[in-house]
Amino acid sequence: DIQMTQSPASLSASLGETISIECRASEDIYSNLAWYQQKSGKSPQLLIYAANRLQDGVPSRFSGSGSGTQYSLKISGMQPEDEGDYFCLQGSKFPLTFGSGTKLEIK
Amino acid sequence: EVQLVESGGGLVQPGRSLKLSCVASGFTFSNYGMNWIRQAPGKGLEWVAYISSGSSYIYYAETVKGRFTISRDNAKNTLYLQMTSLRSEDTALYYCARGWPYYVMDAWGQGASVTVSS
Repeated sequence: DIQMTQSPASLSASLGETISIECRASEDIYSNLAWYQQKSGKSPQLLIYAANRLQDGVPSRFSGSGSGTQYSLKISGMQPEDEGDYFCLQGSKFPLTFGSGTKLEIK
Repeated sequence: EVQLVESGGGLVQPGRSLKLSCVASGFTFSNYGMNWIRQAPGKGLEWVAYISSGSSYIYYAETVKGRFTISRDNAKNTLYLQMTSLRSEDTALYYCARGWPYYVMDAWGQGASVTVSS
């Protein structure tokens, strides 16, 4: 199975700050990677797919990048509504595997 | 509006069975693959199973293979998860999610809570 190592586990950011979350795959996943946001008590929401494609309706301050085994999610200008948990998901091979998650809070 | 509504959760004893349903509306259900994902209390997301639009392709996580069965009825716009030989570690909130392709899950239900305890 492909292991997804996500970092950091938690992050505290000031309003307007730019932050990055990383995911490293145990093998090449050929950009088959998605990022999900989960706000407290809510269902996850798709942010990014195919490593860098922004899902419709997602603010442009969110962006994804990476290739091979290394991927990142960037938020350019932290907003209060961006607080929550973030997960990466690899879709290169079954079983699909999620990263362990990053808890993002406002400082 | 795309909607997914899970039902069938509850409290069940270890070793017993439970069947979850997910009713879809607002899109052509038969055109999309579907996933089940679960989240144990206070934990991260775990993918459970996937079924393709016409049920030709089915995949499971190793943790549930042989105990859980994913299925769908396109005429009823409904996805199912039959869970047998339940264990305490199966306790979680179970989400259904539309996937096209399979890992791009752009619509999620609100979740069905399953608690396995004696």
